[in-house]
Amino acid sequence: DGGITQSPKYLFRKEGQNVTLSCEQNLNHDAMYWYRQDPGQGLRLIYYSQIVNDFQKGDIAEGYSVSREKKESFPLTVTSAQKNPTAFYLCASSIQSLGSGELFFGEGSRLTVL
Amino acid sequence: DQQVKQNSPSLSVQEGRISILNCDYTNSMFDYFLWYKKYPAEGPTFLISISSIKDKNEDGRFTVFLNKSAKHLSLHIVPSQPGDSAVYFCAASVGPGGSEKLVFGKGMKLTVNP
Repeated sequence: DGGITQSPKYLFRKEGQNVTLSCEQNLNHDAMYWYRQDPGQGLRLIYYSQIVNDFQKGDIAEGYSVSREKKESFPLTVTSAQKNPTAFYLCASSIQSLGSGELFFGEGSRLTVL
Repeated sequence: DQQVKQNSPSLSVQEGRISILNCDYTNSMFDYFLWYKKYPAEGPTFLISISSIKDKNEDGRFTVFLNKSAKHLSLHIVPSQPGDSAVYFCAASVGPGGSEKLVFGKGMKLTVNP
């Protein structure tokens, strides 16, 4: 089945540690996105990539980094510079860069900083 | 400044009745609107969309209405079912050539009581 796979589903991290969230898609989509969701908040864009080896900052990129070495993969690293990393992280992809394409989301990764 | 607003955080309706979820936007450049449905601990799934050239789009029990002059859209679910209980996000984008980012509202929690 085609879809987006995020791992791990749950992750605990100590303060000061970097952590990388995996996102893989087999939908052959060009564009991929990382969003963050906090309680009572909408989805906020962290980074997006329209094509391999290229990515752009979203609204809240500080403290995060990404790479897009392969079309299928768009990992997100939450660095120690991110002040409030505890959140629900969602990866998404689309057939083309928005704005007229719908997003397909993974099931999310919940990161908790202890 | 929030460009997409879902002012009511929650709505509770009886099974079989109509659910009306509202969304307001401030950016007049938005020309494509989407609704996403999200269950707990899962990623959002696309529900229905509407282009600004239309004022209504229907898909089964779901209908989205767009009032461009009021910068307002609404999602109607008729009849509501307990399985519709979820958080619903309104989202908006500028069409091709515009912003690459989809802007989400904060979401509204719908509860359909049996």
